[in-house]
Amino acid sequence: EVQLVESGGGLVQPGGSLRLSCSASGFTFSRSAMHWVRQAPGKGLEYVSAISSNGGNTYYADSVKGRFTISRDNSKDTLYLQMSSLRTEDTAVYYCVKPSIAPGVSEYWGQGTLVTVSS
Amino acid sequence: EIVMTQSPATLSVSPGERATLSCRASQSVSSNLAWYQQKPGQAPRLLIYGASTRATGIPARFSGSGSGTEFTLTISGLQSEDFAVYYCQQNNNWPYTFGQGTKLEIK
Repeated sequence: EVQLVESGGGLVQPGGSLRLSCSASGFTFSRSAMHWVRQAPGKGLEYVSAISSNGGNTYYADSVKGRFTISRDNSKDTLYLQMSSLRTEDTAVYYCVKPSIAPGVSEYWGQGTLVTVSS
Repeated sequence: EIVMTQSPATLSVSPGERATLSCRASQSVSSNLAWYQQKPGQAPRLLIYGASTRATGIPARFSGSGSGTEFTLTISGLQSEDFAVYYCQQNNNWPYTFGQGTKLEIK
C-alpha cells in the first residue's frame, strides 16, 4: 500500500523559512517522480513543484520560483520542500503527491501538512 | 500557463439524478485531463484520467468525455457520498493546472 506522510508544517513569520518532508513507503520511491500540491484555506488546488525520479529535473510554479526548492533523498525514501522568503499567500495545506499512470496524474496523496505564514 | 475554467461553480442535484460538470481549457490539452473529487478535510481523490478512463476502484457511474479544450464529467444515479467538490486538471504542460472547482450539493 502506497503511503505518503508529510511533516514539518507550522506557523512561521513572513520572510521566514520552513522545510517540509514527505516520507514514502509501499512503492519503489527511487523510480517515481514526485510532486507538491498546495491548497489555501477554502480555496482550490495549485501545483507547486515537481521532481524527476533521480532528482535531475525540477519544476516550479511561477508563484514560488526562486523561493522554494524541491529535493529528494532516495536512500531515505523522502521528498523535501525547502521554503524561504515565505509570504502570507503561501499559507496552505501542502500535499505530497505521487503521480502514476502518466506524468501529472496524481493518484496518491498524503494527508497534507498545514503551513501558516503570519505575524 | 493553461487556464482551466469549470462550470458551474455550484450545482444542486437530487440524489438518484444525473450531474453534468464542465471544464474548459484555454488551449488544447489533447486528452491529458484528469478529474478529482475532494470532500471536506480530505485529500483529493483521482476519479478520471486521460479524459475518460476511470481510476482504480472508481464506480461506473462516473464517466468522463471530451478532448482538446472541452471536457465533461458525468455522474449518473447520484449517491449521498458523491456530494463533494470536483476539480479538473490538465497534465499536458507544466505547470499542471486545476480548475477552480465545482461544488456538487444536495438539492
